[in-house]
Order: sequence, then C-alpha cells, then structure tokens
Amino acid sequence: DVKVTQSSRYLVKRTGEKVFLECVQDMDHENMFWYRQDPGLGLRLIYFSYDVKMKEKGDIPEGYSVSREKKERFSLILESASTNQTSMYLCASSLRGRLGEKLFFGSGTQLSVL
Amino acid sequence: QQQVKQSPQSLIVQKGGISIINCAYENTAFDYFPWYQQFPGKGPALLIAIRPDVSEKKEGRFTISFNKSAKQFSLHIMDSQPGDSATYFCAASRSLYGGATNKLIFGTGTLLAVQP
Repeated sequence: DVKVTQSSRYLVKRTGEKVFLECVQDMDHENMFWYRQDPGLGLRLIYFSYDVKMKEKGDIPEGYSVSREKKERFSLILESASTNQTSMYLCASSLRGRLGEKLFFGSGTQLSVL
Repeated sequence: QQQVKQSPQSLIVQKGGISIINCAYENTAFDYFPWYQQFPGKGPALLIAIRPDVSEKKEGRFTISFNKSAKQFSLHIMDSQPGDSATYFCAASRSLYGGATNKLIFGTGTLLAVQP
C-alpha cells in the first residue's frame, strides 16, 4: 500500500520560530509537492521538487523554503514563522511524466503559529 | 488564466439524491481534469479524472461531465450516500513534454453533506 507520511499531525509554534515539516514517501516517486489548505481557498502549491536537490516555486512560495536531499524525503521550512502561516500543510508525491498526474497525499500537518 | 473556479462552496443532499459540483477554467491548454475526495483528518485522494477527448466518464456512482466549448466540467454523484460526505476538489493541469512535472491547479473545494 502506497504511503506518504508527514511527521506531525499537529504542531504549535511561536512567531519567529524556524519550523521544519517533514514528509517521507515509500513509493520511489520522483515528484514531491507541498500544498497548504485553507478554508475557502482550496489547495495552493507552495513548492515542488522533481528530483533530488531540485526544487521549483509554486504559487505561494514567500516565507517558505524546501529541502530534498534524498529521493524519499521532502522538507518544508518556515524560516521565521508568522501567524498568517497557520494552516493545514499537505505533502504529496507522484511519478514523473504522464503517469505522474495522480497525486498521493499525506494526512496533513495542522500548524498553529501563536 | 490559471484559476479553476468551483461551486458551490457547500452542498446538502438527501440520501439517494444526486449531488452536482461544478468547475470552470480559463486556460485552454489544460488537458487533464481530476476530482479529489477528502475525508476529515485525511489527505485528498484521486476519485475520478477525465481528458477533453471525451465528454463524459463514469465510474460507479460518480460521473464527470465535460463541456470543452464552455470550459466547464462537473462531478455528479448518483444515489448519494452518507459515506460520500466529504470535501471535493476539482483540479486541472496541462501535459508537459519530456516527462516534466505537471502542476495541478485546484479549485476551492465543496463540502458535501449527505443527510440520512
């Protein structure tokens, strides 16, 4: 059974803290994605990676960075957390190419920044 | 041009009824239109998808209807059941050459509640 695992289900951090959200997939997928989900705004792409050490900005990259040192792991970093980054964060992975259109999502990390 | 507009924001349907969720897009280069289903506490999961070479695709009680000229597509859930209660997202993307990564553009979501 395919699996995308996010390290924390709930996380509470303080304004200004550096926050790491971790995601691991066991499907040998080339592509990995970070989305944030907010009520009324749907899923918005923050960053994605199509290979180890490669990354591309999504639609809302400001305030975030990512790291992909190994194929199975994709980390989202909030350099200095702010209250407007309180959100549900979803990691996803997919195969490269036409078959890669199906995204497999993790269960999400609900981040609260106080 | 990159947006996918989804409506309604929420929907209440009686058990056995038909649930209909609509989406519209602007970018004519989009050629892949999936629907994702998300239950509380879970990530979204692919439900059904369509390409513009067909006008309809059916999988069990779920049907996608696609209108290329109107740039609209919709999800129909026949004989809706309480277990269908979830958030539904439409999405769109365009195929890229050379196996490059496709970026899905998601709609804003529809919260469906099917009452027993």
